Amino acid sequence: NAGVTQTPKFRVLKTGQSMTLLCAQDMNHEYMYWYRQDPGMGLRLIHYSVGEGTTAKGEVPDGYNVSRLKKQNFLLGLESAAPSQTSVYFCASRPQGQPGNTIYFGEGSWLTVV
Amino acid sequence: ILNVEQSPQSLHVQEGDSTNFTCSFPSSNFYALHWYRWETAKSPEALFVMTLNGDEKKKGRISATLNTKEGYSYLYIKGSQPEDSATYLCAFSDTGFQKLVFGTGTRLLVSP
Repeated sequence: NAGVTQTPKFRVLKTGQSMTLLCAQDMNHEYMYWYRQDPGMGLRLIHYSVGEGTTAKGEVPDGYNVSRLKKQNFLLGLESAAPSQTSVYFCASRPQGQPGNTIYFGEGSWLTVV
Repeated sequence: ILNVEQSPQSLHVQEGDSTNFTCSFPSSNFYALHWYRWETAKSPEALFVMTLNGDEKKKGRISATLNTKEGYSYLYIKGSQPEDSATYLCAFSDTGFQKLVFGTGTRLLVSP
């Protein structure tokens, strides 16, 4: 049972390069999220999606774009990477509906922008 | 903007000590409060999800309480062990139930 899978796990980018992080979940969840984790900042929501074909901005969306073309995949793009985007990125998903539903996280993607 | 605060930021205790942390969240439009345990380089691990005022949950030596009217939740660890060392995160959902906003976490270190 794969759960939530993120790729790649590690990446080093040069300033100005672009890249895409892929999040895939096999639990048929409606909701998917991208967070970034920085020291002393906890998890901050970048973008989220409540269903296939829909996306919405979170707390820190600038510099990122997302797409949810298929229900199981949620892509996070960096069009022109900046050193401030050096972070650990976590994807999460959960089913729609009941407030008691658990959120499932991926294992994180470590991104360094030099 | 939903503001979720956790205190203390960090805590260092000795093995066997009992400890507790606080999560403060908006008291209006409450929907759910989650607690997670998070070790570096691993996915956050779900501990509890609480939805009703007065909820109390327990998992082994760890328990949590919820007060939605005043907007806080406590996480307790009884008889801390070195393996409890981790960052403990709380997360809040409002009635929109779409966003999940996390606090900055409490980093716990338990020394043998």
